Amino acid sequence: SAVISQKPSRDICQRGTSLTIQCQVDSQVTMMFWYRQQPGQSLTLIATANQGSEATYESGFVIDKFPISRPNLTFSTLTVSNMSPEDSSIYLCGASGASGGTDTQYFGPGTRLTVL
Amino acid sequence: ILNVEQSPQSLHVQEGDSTNFTCSFPSSNFYALHWYRWETAKSPEALFVMTLNGDEKKKGRISATLNTKEGYSYLYIKGSQPEDSATYLCASESNYQLIWGAGTKLIIKP
Repeated sequence: SAVISQKPSRDICQRGTSLTIQCQVDSQVTMMFWYRQQPGQSLTLIATANQGSEATYESGFVIDKFPISRPNLTFSTLTVSNMSPEDSSIYLCGASGASGGTDTQYFGPGTRLTVL
Repeated sequence: ILNVEQSPQSLHVQEGDSTNFTCSFPSSNFYALHWYRWETAKSPEALFVMTLNGDEKKKGRISATLNTKEGYSYLYIKGSQPEDSATYLCASESNYQLIWGAGTKLIIKP
């Protein structure tokens, strides 16, 4: 299994500012992911963080809005840029050992973001 | 586009009672069904991964069944306890992607 920590755990931010969320895994993992859960909605995959290359974004998400870094196999950051109240969500970092298959995904505790 | 539905959206259950809820998913290109428990301020915790039609898995007082032909899975909790209060998420895995339901929020009343 993998233990994942995220920080900050929560933040309240002003419109137009940016927030960077950090995700640290206690072991090397192949895949790292960033999810968003807006109030009352499903978990939605934002992007897959690739080590040493640009992240792979899902439809509806772009690098300018959600830049992602993954400098090594245990760490990733997600930045929420130029925030608006619609970005108020829980942001979850996830990780798994291999691409595809039935590998269990492990998650961080989430970052609860409120944008005023 | 896959669509995973969970019902009910929320559920209040008396301590000691048993309960169950549903995850519905498209049966085409199905690979696996995942159940997670997500307690407030904690990491979602993996409960089960099921792949075979008719599969049934159990972990303590919690069990799950899978029907891949009709596209549904049930999660059962026997003798609910306050520590069972959480949001239960299911995700259908297909084409190396996980599609998540919105969750069932379970509240156990003492």
